[in-house]
Amino acid sequence: QKEVEQNSGPLSVPEGAIASLNCTYSDRGSQSFFWYRQYSGKSPELIMSIYSNGDKEDGRFTAQLNKASQYVSLLIRDSQPSDSATYLCAVAGGTSYGKLTFGQGTILTVHP
Amino acid sequence: GAVVSQHPSWVICKSGTSVKIECRSLDFQATTMFWYRQFPKQSLMLMATSNEGSKATYEQGVEKDKFLINHASLTLSTLTVTSAHPEDSSFYICSALGGSTDTQYFGPGTRLTVL
Repeated sequence: QKEVEQNSGPLSVPEGAIASLNCTYSDRGSQSFFWYRQYSGKSPELIMSIYSNGDKEDGRFTAQLNKASQYVSLLIRDSQPSDSATYLCAVAGGTSYGKLTFGQGTILTVHP
Repeated sequence: GAVVSQHPSWVICKSGTSVKIECRSLDFQATTMFWYRQFPKQSLMLMATSNEGSKATYEQGVEKDKFLINHASLTLSTLTVTSAHPEDSSFYICSALGGSTDTQYFGPGTRLTVL
């Protein structure tokens, strides 16, 4: 069983729509949750971090965390073609401080 | 803030040679850095955790004698791929824990091609 699972892709949305990316994790001791964006051939860049249950908004991005359901999501409003990338959900916590466990990634394509 | 650099950005070498990759935190001190490897169309695979002034902790299946890691200062970690072979060709990415947080900031990566 994978420790961090993301919804299978690829995900394709029209420009201006809301893209919804989902992630579940198995370790209840997890304390920190991150979303990274990775363009093809590039390294990951941090989009959002979230530590508490509820929503966290940053511009067009909203991260949602539900620790009881072991679920974290990322919403991208007003999607743009430049948002087309692979989105990585990452989870940290437990005994290894700062060590991340990544999901397999979801490929998002925003078409004009 | 929280900028991490890597050098070189790409390298081509002959089979059997060694290659050193540098990872630097430019505007913060990083007691912990991580080294990842990523093959095409796959997610990142953690190779090792590098702590300043101590030996690196390698993930299961990663050969510590082949992938030498040194973290001699709070801003620099190096990964040396010894006796490289074509199967070592990959995208190597480092990250650094940013200051007092548990957020990892990634370097731009180094693309290694072994002929």
